[in-house]
Amino acid sequence: ETGVTQSPTHLIKTRGQQVTLRCSSQSGHNTVSWYQQALGQGPQFIFQYYREEENGRGNFPPRFSGLQFPNYSSELNVNALELDDSALYLCASSLGGGEREQFFGPGTRLTVL
Amino acid sequence: SQQGEEDPQALSIQEGENATMNCSYKTSINNLQWYRQNSGRGLVHLILIRSNEREKHSGRLRVTLDTSKKSSSLLITASRAADTASYFCAPPGGNYKLTFGKGTLLTVNP
Repeated sequence: ETGVTQSPTHLIKTRGQQVTLRCSSQSGHNTVSWYQQALGQGPQFIFQYYREEENGRGNFPPRFSGLQFPNYSSELNVNALELDDSALYLCASSLGGGEREQFFGPGTRLTVL
Repeated sequence: SQQGEEDPQALSIQEGENATMNCSYKTSINNLQWYRQNSGRGLVHLILIRSNEREKHSGRLRVTLDTSKKSSSLLITASRAADTASYFCAPPGGNYKLTFGKGTLLTVNP
């Protein structure tokens, strides 16, 4: 059984660019959630995908979008990057939503210059 | 809206001592989870306690839940240097997400 993996590990972009982050969920898990964690803060919920449909969204603008694929892996896309988008992006997979144990990946550290 | 809030923000102890972290939340819950994060990496699930449970143990961890006070505590006994990490409580915010506070940064000195 493989755990949650994320790629890339680190990424540097400039303001206005677009970025795609990837997540492979744990085997058998049908739900993927994405969180943004700024330095010194706790993770903030971006959105969740369940069986390829967006199942819930946090307080993030539409330039944050996502996809879930038939194998339950997922992508997070961020358009028109801003300096405040610099953060650790965490993906978590689970069998269901917020009342279930979430299995987190190691994260992608995004730096926007 | 739901939000977990941990207290204290930082805690420094010696190896072998016990560490207690507290959590408060805003709205009623069916369960509450605790997670650990080492040095800006992914979070690791520690324990889930249900609303009908007052106390739960897992190895050196003991979690309590008081739903009347909307609070929880995490006790780590006989702490080790490897316990150095940030600890988050995570009450669910609706049926699809976890809500996190800023966490408690625990430093265990050898």
